[in-house]
Amino acid sequence: GAVVSQHPSWVICKSGTSVKIECRSLDFQATTMFWYRQFPKQSLMLMATSNEGSKATYEQGVEKDKFLINHASLTLSTLTVTSAHPEDSSFYICSARRVGSEKLFFGSGTQLSVL
Amino acid sequence: KQEVTQIPAALSVPEGENLVLNCSFTDSAIYNLQWFRQDPGKGLTSLLLIQSSQREQTSGRLNASLDKSSGRSTLYIAASQPGDSATYLCAVILMNNNAGNMLTFGGGTRLMVKP
Repeated sequence: GAVVSQHPSWVICKSGTSVKIECRSLDFQATTMFWYRQFPKQSLMLMATSNEGSKATYEQGVEKDKFLINHASLTLSTLTVTSAHPEDSSFYICSARRVGSEKLFFGSGTQLSVL
Repeated sequence: KQEVTQIPAALSVPEGENLVLNCSFTDSAIYNLQWFRQDPGKGLTSLLLIQSSQREQTSGRLNASLDKSSGRSTLYIAASQPGDSATYLCAVILMNNNAGNMLTFGGGTRLMVKP
């Protein structure tokens, strides 16, 4: 089956530092990847849609300069939380859409804690 | 704007019971609907995908139905087991979504199956 690897699984960082999260489709090509954020006891919220080779499309209220998304290849998308602050602490999940399929495959998520 | 609601928010049942989880959406012009399972601190696992032209999908003890006209979907779990304990999320994709396969998630149903 299609596997999406997300790394790291958890990260603790000091306020003001930047954190990069990787999302890789291991056995398929993904032209589109999605980044979600989930706060405790809340549902997933889409942050941005990234298409390989083009700029990401951000949802309303998501700062593109703070959450940098790079989708450099058909198997890799990265989310960089720049100058992280405690309010950015959340569970971040990526998903990838396999070419020719409507199904989305999700990474295992990254728990970010900013001190 | 599409809104997705899941009822109940939480459910506790004894092992062996059959149960139904409900999902409703406000815009019936959907492309497809997916049911996911989320275990604590982990990513999402896709359970069933129903295309807008379909009425139901089955996988093992799971059966998902879709009624577009009424804006409803149900996830039926037969002979529930403790291992079924998780949060179940439904998500829809709108037909005319310029951003591609953007999912709108419901708030989820937290299921606890007691031994």
